[in-house]
Amino acid sequence: QVRLQESGPGLVKPSQTLSLTCTVSGDSVRSGGSYWSWIRQPAGKGLEWIGRIYASGSTNYNPSLKSRVTISVDTSKNQFSLILSSVTAADTAVYSCARTVWFGEGYFDYWGQGTLVTVSS
Amino acid sequence: EIVLTQSPGTLSLSPGDRATLSCRASQSVRSSYLAWYQQKPGQTPRLLIYGASTRASGISDRFSGSGSGTDFTLTISRLEPEDFAVYYCQQYGSSPLTFGGGTKVEI
Repeated sequence: QVRLQESGPGLVKPSQTLSLTCTVSGDSVRSGGSYWSWIRQPAGKGLEWIGRIYASGSTNYNPSLKSRVTISVDTSKNQFSLILSSVTAADTAVYSCARTVWFGEGYFDYWGQGTLVTVSS
Repeated sequence: EIVLTQSPGTLSLSPGDRATLSCRASQSVRSSYLAWYQQKPGQTPRLLIYGASTRASGISDRFSGSGSGTDFTLTISRLEPEDFAVYYCQQYGSSPLTFGGGTKVEI
C-alpha cells in the first residue's frame, strides 16, 4: 500500500523559508510512471498545485510560485522535498504531497494526510 | 492556464437523491484528461474518477463521470450518507495542473 507522510515545521516567520519533506512508503520515488507533487490548500479554500518532480530530478512548477519554489528528490531516503522562500501570510495553508500518475500532465492517486503550515511572527 | 469553473457551489440534497455536478473548462481539455476528487473535512482529497469517466480503484459504481472538451459532469446516482462532502475537478491536459473551486454536497 502506498503511503506518503509530510513532515516539517508548522510555523514559519514571514520572509523566511518554508521547508517540508514527504516520505514515501510502498513505492519508490525512482519508479517510472509516477511524478511526485506538492499541493496546498488554504483553510476553507480550494486546491493549488505547487509543482512536481520526476525521479531523474526533472521539475515542473506552477508559474504563480515558480520564482520561490524548489522541489528536490532524495532517492536514497525515498523522499522528496519542498522549499518555498520569502513566505507571507498568504502562504498559510495545508501542504500535501501526492503521487502523480504520469498520464497527460498527471493526476493524483495517493495523497499524504497534509500538514498545516502557518506563516506568522 | 486552464480555468475550471464548478457549479453549483453548494448542492443541498437528501440520501437517495441523484447528484449532478458540473465542471466547465475555459478551453478544451486535451484527451479528456479530467479527474474528480472527493474531500471530507479534515482529510486530503480522494481520487474518484480519471480520464473523465474511469473510476479509480475501489470507487463505488454509484459514481460516474462523463463529458469531453470543455464540459464535464460527475453524477452520484443514489446519495449515501458518506457521500456528503466537497468535490473537486482537476485537469491534467496541460500545465499548470489546475483544480476547480469545488462543489459542496450537503444534506
